[in-house]
Amino acid sequence: KQEVTQIPAALSVPEGENLVLNCSFTDSAIYNLQWFRQDPGKGLTSLLLIQSSQREQTSGRLNASLDKSSGRSTLYIAASQPGDSATYLCAVKGTYKYIFGTGTRLKVLA
Amino acid sequence: DVKVTQSSRYLVKRTGEKVFLECVQDMDHENMFWYRQDPGLGLRLIYFSYDVKMKEKGDIPEGYSVSREKKERFSLILESASTNQTSMYLCASSLNSGAGPSPTYEQYFGPGTRLTVT
Repeated sequence: KQEVTQIPAALSVPEGENLVLNCSFTDSAIYNLQWFRQDPGKGLTSLLLIQSSQREQTSGRLNASLDKSSGRSTLYIAASQPGDSATYLCAVKGTYKYIFGTGTRLKVLA
Repeated sequence: DVKVTQSSRYLVKRTGEKVFLECVQDMDHENMFWYRQDPGLGLRLIYFSYDVKMKEKGDIPEGYSVSREKKERFSLILESASTNQTSMYLCASSLNSGAGPSPTYEQYFGPGTRLTVT
């Protein structure tokens, strides 16, 4: 059974720092991996999707990597800003559905 | 831009009531999903649908049913609401790259409905 883990559960950093969020999964047979952002009380906003054949995807200050063989993905955020404060979730797609991690709650301090 | 809308942002219902949560997407997506999100448990899939009138159980379907009569609309029904169904409910949709219920493309989420059952 696929399990997705995100560590740390919470993170506080000063503004301007580069940071890495981690996502690990137990079954490497995935179709893709998607990173989301969730603001308090809101829905999920898609940030990046990496297909299983890809190694990384970039969007602005965000870069996501995927290493299927080791069951890991990282989300790199460059030059963090207070507006980046949110919960970040990763999800892996198996045969027919996505399995979500429980998220990393990020706070960027001004 | 893909838009997924949910009928209510906040809902308060009494135990035993029948509750309807509606979700509409405007991008002609084949796949639609209902999740619930609870602190410490993350998102859990209740039901999904990969075509009109098609539905599949997710991980926690007990106490719920769904309806998909039109491609753009996916309804979640709580037949007899209970307090343990108090939660944030999230709807999502995605394209389907081919036959079968495999969403290869991105999932797009609605804003969520926070349901409280008293």
